[in-house]
Amino acid sequence: DADVTQTPRNRITKTGKRIMLECSQTKGHDRMYWYRQDPGLGLRLIYYSFDVKDINKGEISDGYSVSRQAQAKFSLSLESAIPNQTALYFCATSFGRGTEAFFGQGTRLTVV
Amino acid sequence: SQQGEEDPQALSIQEGENATMNCSYKTSINNLQWYRQNSGRGLVHLILIRSNEREKHSGRLRVTLDTSKKSSSLLITASRAADTASYFCATVKDSSYKLIFGSGTRLLVRP
Repeated sequence: DADVTQTPRNRITKTGKRIMLECSQTKGHDRMYWYRQDPGLGLRLIYYSFDVKDINKGEISDGYSVSRQAQAKFSLSLESAIPNQTALYFCATSFGRGTEAFFGQGTRLTVV
Repeated sequence: SQQGEEDPQALSIQEGENATMNCSYKTSINNLQWYRQNSGRGLVHLILIRSNEREKHSGRLRVTLDTSKKSSSLLITASRAADTASYFCATVKDSSYKLIFGSGTRLLVRP
């Protein structure tokens, strides 16, 4: 089983719908991240959490919200999806300050 | 804005040749990391170099860091077709410890 699991792997949704992407990890890491990837733009940080009670906005948090339900679970929500939120979304985890990150396999989201 | 910017955006080489990718960043850092991504897959960590280190090796990978120029390079020696992937640098700042990625270099190694 993967250490960092994202669900769903693929999702097509309509404009205006609420959608939640979920991430769970079995690595025991304290830090979790959500990124989006668009062609040619690399990965941009949406939100990050250093522990259950510490959640921070990243570079592009507008239109997104997150919930850290437990140390092992970090969910990303799009309250009202719009087409320019079509992207590949990655969850990542790390342990401690400035250490290597471990990525999930990604969720491909299409908003039509 | 993104902290790291890679150069070149795309690189095509013959198998057996060396591949060099560069990364520039804007502010002081705690460390810099390189990741690899096969098409559409999750990123995999390759190597981490701390701000007080100048060079680091891991197998066929060599990473250098020049904090005065705010730049790093990744050298892959004796490249193989299986090295074909996108490569990203990511920086960690002392103040926030969040991981910020650059836009990546697409490497194609021709058999």
